[in-house]
Amino acid sequence: EDQVTQSPEALRLQEGESSSLNCSYTVSGLRGLFWYRQDPGKGPEFLFTLYSAGEEKEKERLKATLTKKESFLHITAPKPEDSATYLCAVQALDRDDKIIFGKGTRLHILP
Amino acid sequence: DARVTQTPRHKVTEMGQEVTMRCQPILGHNTVFWYRQTMMQGLELLAYFRNRAPLDDSGMPKDRFSAEMPDATLATLKIQPSEPRDSAVYFCASGLTQGVTYEQYFGPGTRLTVT
Repeated sequence: EDQVTQSPEALRLQEGESSSLNCSYTVSGLRGLFWYRQDPGKGPEFLFTLYSAGEEKEKERLKATLTKKESFLHITAPKPEDSATYLCAVQALDRDDKIIFGKGTRLHILP
Repeated sequence: DARVTQTPRHKVTEMGQEVTMRCQPILGHNTVFWYRQTMMQGLELLAYFRNRAPLDDSGMPKDRFSAEMPDATLATLKIQPSEPRDSAVYFCASGLTQGVTYEQYFGPGTRLTVT
């Protein structure tokens, strides 16, 4: 069964304190791995798609990396506006358009 | 600035009442998804359509939920009769399938409370 597990569930950092969020996945064959950001009261907002192990994508203070079993979202020198829930999702080769979401990591950056 | 729209944004109803949620996908997107989000379960896929045809509704309680796409600009999710356990935020998302994986664009959600 396809699964996505994110850790930690919640993370509090001081402004400027870099860290990483983890997404472990089990899927028969990976078509793509997605990272989304969700602010309170809003829908998830797309950040990155990763397709193969070794791939990296960057956007401002965020960098996503992918291995055969997990993905990391690295946050460098975060600011309070980076506070949000970060969701990881995977799409399997044999699951057509369906993607499975993890439960997310709630990130809080203290000023 | 193209975006997915959903109505209503909030709905409070009594148990047993019918609830209808509406979604307007981004123009040109050919795939539409309905999700439900709760603190306990996270985001769960309920159903999705491609080119207005239903492809998968295995995530929906079939006896009370129904999803339709009467035209390319409107998707609906109905609950009849509603129950307190249906209280959640319901999201619609749309995307463009072109043979490879793609990102989904989410609407702002409908927060449903069933008393």
